[in-house]
Amino acid sequence: AQSVTQLDSHVSVSEGTPVLLRCNYSSSYSPSLFWYVQHPNKGLQLLLKYTSAATLVKGINGFEAEFKKSETSFHLTKPSAHMSDAAEYFCVVFSGRDSSYKLIFGSGTRLLVRP
Amino acid sequence: GAVVSQHPSWVICKSGTSVKIECRSLDFQATTMFWYRQFPKQSLMLMATSNEGSKATYEQGVEKDKFLINHASLTLSTLTVTSAHPEDSSFYICSAAGPSLDTQYFGPGTRLTVL
Repeated sequence: AQSVTQLDSHVSVSEGTPVLLRCNYSSSYSPSLFWYVQHPNKGLQLLLKYTSAATLVKGINGFEAEFKKSETSFHLTKPSAHMSDAAEYFCVVFSGRDSSYKLIFGSGTRLLVRP
Repeated sequence: GAVVSQHPSWVICKSGTSVKIECRSLDFQATTMFWYRQFPKQSLMLMATSNEGSKATYEQGVEKDKFLINHASLTLSTLTVTSAHPEDSSFYICSAAGPSLDTQYFGPGTRLTVL
């Protein structure tokens, strides 16, 4: 069965410093992985998506993630944090086997950006 | 990306009443819609998957008689919480997908408070 584990419930960075949000996945086959962001009182927004085309995936707002099969990781990074990046981030895996097609969400990481 | 709306954005009701939440895909035909539930400071949990014109598929532990889902058209799905109780208070989020089920567009969510 597919699953994702977000290793940090909270991450706090200063504005202008790098961001690293960690995610490990478990999958018996090549997974489709996603990062979503949820701002307060707003819908989830897709940041980026990995579907085996390239291991380094570039997303919106300067975010990117690298798929590392050897480490079963899909960490989200950004070179320089902005105040507007403060939000909840979800690592997600798509489960598409056995007639059950669904997104499975990690527990979320709250990113705090200090001025 | 595609736009998905939810109505209402928030609702307060008395215990024992029923509440209907609408999910609409505004600019594409959604073959499949998903309903999620999110408790405060927690992740999204899939409740059910609905395909237009057929019965919804509920996740294990979700009462189908309590959470009635109707997907009458390719642009509209409704979730009715029947005989709501305080423990049903939560944030309900829908998503819509076209032929590619791993690409879901999320609504802004509906906050339900049952008194």
